[in-house]
Amino acid sequence: GAVVSQHPSWVICKSGTSVKIECRSLDFQATTMFWYRQFPKQSLMLMATSNEGSKATYEQGVEKDKFLINHASLTLSTLTVTSAHPEDSSFYICSARPTGGETGNTIYFGEGSWLTVV
Amino acid sequence: SQKIEQNSEALNIQEGKTATLTCNYTNYSPAYLQWYRQDPGRGPVFLLLIRENEKEKRKERLKVTFDTTLKQSLFHITASQPADSATYLCALARGWNSGNTPLVFGKGTRLSVIA
Repeated sequence: GAVVSQHPSWVICKSGTSVKIECRSLDFQATTMFWYRQFPKQSLMLMATSNEGSKATYEQGVEKDKFLINHASLTLSTLTVTSAHPEDSSFYICSARPTGGETGNTIYFGEGSWLTVV
Repeated sequence: SQKIEQNSEALNIQEGKTATLTCNYTNYSPAYLQWYRQDPGRGPVFLLLIRENEKEKRKERLKVTFDTTLKQSLFHITASQPADSATYLCALARGWNSGNTPLVFGKGTRLSVIA
């Protein structure tokens, strides 16, 4: 089946530093990828829609200058948390929809990345 | 406002019984609805998709129904097993059915199957 890989799986960083999370579709191309954040016992909250070759579309309340998204190729999107603070500690999950497939087809999720800011 | 509500935060059932989870939505007109399974600390795993013109979908021990009049989907696991214990998420497309449409999720129901 289709695989979406996230790296790193978990990361600890110091407050004030930046950390990059990668999302790769391993066996399909994805024009569109989505980034979610999930706090403990909460649902997945959509942060932004990442489009290959263009700017990401951010959800209301998500700071685009803090959560930088780059979708430079059809198989890779990156999320950079800049000037991280402890409140940014969360589980970040990406998902990808295969390009050219039937609309309404499955969206595949990565395994998530745990970020802890100390 | 738009809402996706899953009726129970947690559900405990005895092994072998049928688990029924509910998803209700408000102010959406989804072309399809999906169910995912999420284990602790892992990403969601796709289970089933049901389209607006489908009443029921089955996959092995799983069954999903979709009532667009009631704005409700039911998710059933028959002959439940302890390995079915997980959080089950209901998701639907936020906007019109296009490649850019993201999924939005309910809070999930944490199912525990007791041996």
